[in-house]
Parts: sequence; structure tokens; C-alpha cells
Amino acid sequence: QKEVEQNSGPLSVPEGAIASLNCTYSDRGSQSFFWYRQYSGKSPELIMSIYSNGDKEDGRFTAQLNKASQYVSLLIRDSQPSDSATYLCAVNPLYNFNKFYFGSGTKLNVKP
Amino acid sequence: EAGVAQSPRYKIIEKRQSVAFWCNPISGHATLYWYQQILGQGPKLLIQFQNNGVVDDSQLPKDRFSAERLKGVDSTLKIQPAKLEDSAVYLCASSLRDRAGTEAFFGQGTRLTVV
Repeated sequence: QKEVEQNSGPLSVPEGAIASLNCTYSDRGSQSFFWYRQYSGKSPELIMSIYSNGDKEDGRFTAQLNKASQYVSLLIRDSQPSDSATYLCAVNPLYNFNKFYFGSGTKLNVKP
Repeated sequence: EAGVAQSPRYKIIEKRQSVAFWCNPISGHATLYWYQQILGQGPKLLIQFQNNGVVDDSQLPKDRFSAERLKGVDSTLKIQPAKLEDSAVYLCASSLRDRAGTEAFFGQGTRLTVV
């Protein structure tokens, strides 16, 4: 079983719609969760981090964490073509909070 | 604040040749990571340094890969001899090791093609 699992997509949404990206993790003791965006040919860049159950909003992005169900999601409101990228979910395991397990990423296509 | 610097950006070598990558982390970041990212996959941790000590190298193919971080700052990753399956982007990242939840910052990566 992989530590972090994501649907590889592609997820296609029309411009202006809400994109919903999901991630599940296996280590129940994980404490910190991150969403990175990676444009084609570029390196990952952090867009959101979340540590507590519930929602965390930052502009058009909302991260949602449910530790009991071991999933974390990212909602992108008013999706724009510039949001088209691969979104990577990353998790810090309990035993090493400086280690990052990455999922394989979900490719998002926002169609004009 | 300067970001994570990596060089070279691109490298093409023949199989069985050797290659080395260099990384300079963000100033003050004690933790340094080397990741391998194969096309269509997420980054896979190869090795994690804390200052100049190795924290995790469980997924480093030690028969051909080696890495060092002298003086707890710059790091080099070497592959010798290279195989076709080593074609990937090699990402260096760094983070402050002051608390849980500290993010990792990535360099631009080195795209390696083994022919």
C-alpha cells in the first residue's frame, strides 16, 4: 500500500467551475499535509498546508482535512486555465516530521 | 531570499557513464532532500540530510547512487554507472527543521536523459 494515494486524472473542469482534488494517506499518525502545484516541466511549489481537521481557505483554494477518514482534499473555486497543472499531495509521517511522502499527483485541465 | 539552486538544468549521457548534480539549499535550511521524479509520477525521496548527516537513504540505490553534503550546506548527488531507467528529473529541496509542518522548497531540478 502506498503511503499517499491520488487519482492520476486527468480531471477536466470548465473555466469558472469548482475543481475537487482528493488524497488519501495510510499513516494514521500523520500530522501535516501539503498541496503542491507542479506545472509541466517545472518544480513543485506549495499552495496550501493544513494541520487540523476541518477547512482552511486561502483565496480561491480551500484545503479540507479529515484525519478520522485519512483523507485530505483541495477545492479550487472559479477555476482558471492557469490552474491547469498537476497537483501533488504530500504528507509528513508521525515518526519524521521532516520527511515528505508524495502522491503521484492529479493532473487538472481547466478548459476555457 | 534566494531559492534552492541546482545545476546543471539538463544533462544527456550514455548508459554506463557517470553524472553528478549539485544543489545549494536556502540559507539556514538544515534539512536537504534529493528526490527522483519519473515522468508522470510523484517525487520519490532518494536521500534526506539533516545538516551533514544522513537521516534516510532507504530508497537510494546504493550500488550506483551516492550523495554527500559537506559542511552541512551544498550537496552533490552522483550516479555511476547510469542506467536507462535513471532518466528522470532530480529535484533538490530544503526545509527548516524547526517544527512540524514546515514546508519543503524545491529547486528547478535537473532533467537527466540516459541514452
